[in-house]
Amino acid sequence: AQKVTQAQTEISVVEKEDVTLDCVYETRDTTYYLFWYKQPPSGELVFLIRRNSFDEQNEISGRYSWNFQKSTSSFNFTITASQVVDSAVYFCALSEARDNYGQNFVFGPGTRLSVLP
Amino acid sequence: DGGITQSPKYLFRKEGQNVTLSCEQNLNHDAMYWYRQDPGQGLRLIYYSQIVNDFQKGDIAEGYSVSREKKESFPLTVTSAQKNPTAFYLCASSLRGRSTDTQYFGPGTRLTVL
Repeated sequence: AQKVTQAQTEISVVEKEDVTLDCVYETRDTTYYLFWYKQPPSGELVFLIRRNSFDEQNEISGRYSWNFQKSTSSFNFTITASQVVDSAVYFCALSEARDNYGQNFVFGPGTRLSVLP
Repeated sequence: DGGITQSPKYLFRKEGQNVTLSCEQNLNHDAMYWYRQDPGQGLRLIYYSQIVNDFQKGDIAEGYSVSREKKESFPLTVTSAQKNPTAFYLCASSLRGRSTDTQYFGPGTRLTVL
């Protein structure tokens, strides 16, 4: 069965520090997709990135970067020079690529990031 | 602007009452989903719908019901049979409902049972 673990329940950093959020997943499939979402205090989940299992290149988008390593089943998320607006709960999610439908989405428990001014 | 709307934002219910949460999308997505979020936990799937007039139970469907009469709308009813309904409810949609599609979320409804 698929599973997503986010071992860090809460992280606090001071503004401008770099921070890495860990995500470890379990799946028996060779084809799958990984996602990161941001949930600010308003509650809505905001999509950040989608990565398939065949693409292990690191991704960078502004201050955000993602490190995908199949060898360790990890898909870690780094925020460089953190800002107060980055304070949120971040979820990692896994979806196995099958012919059926979106019920295969599995979310981790989330990591609450607090960026202090 | 395209997106997903949920209403109301906050909902209070007395024990024994049924309540219906609204979810509307104008993204022209085929698939829609309902999730429940409890404090400190991830999202758990309640129901999903691939097409109009069709829906499937998720992991925690007991005490909930849905309908999908229109492509744009996927209301969720929390019935009196749901033993612990106080939670944050999130609606989502995806383009074709395939396992690999990205799901996009609405702003959520916070339900409190008094």
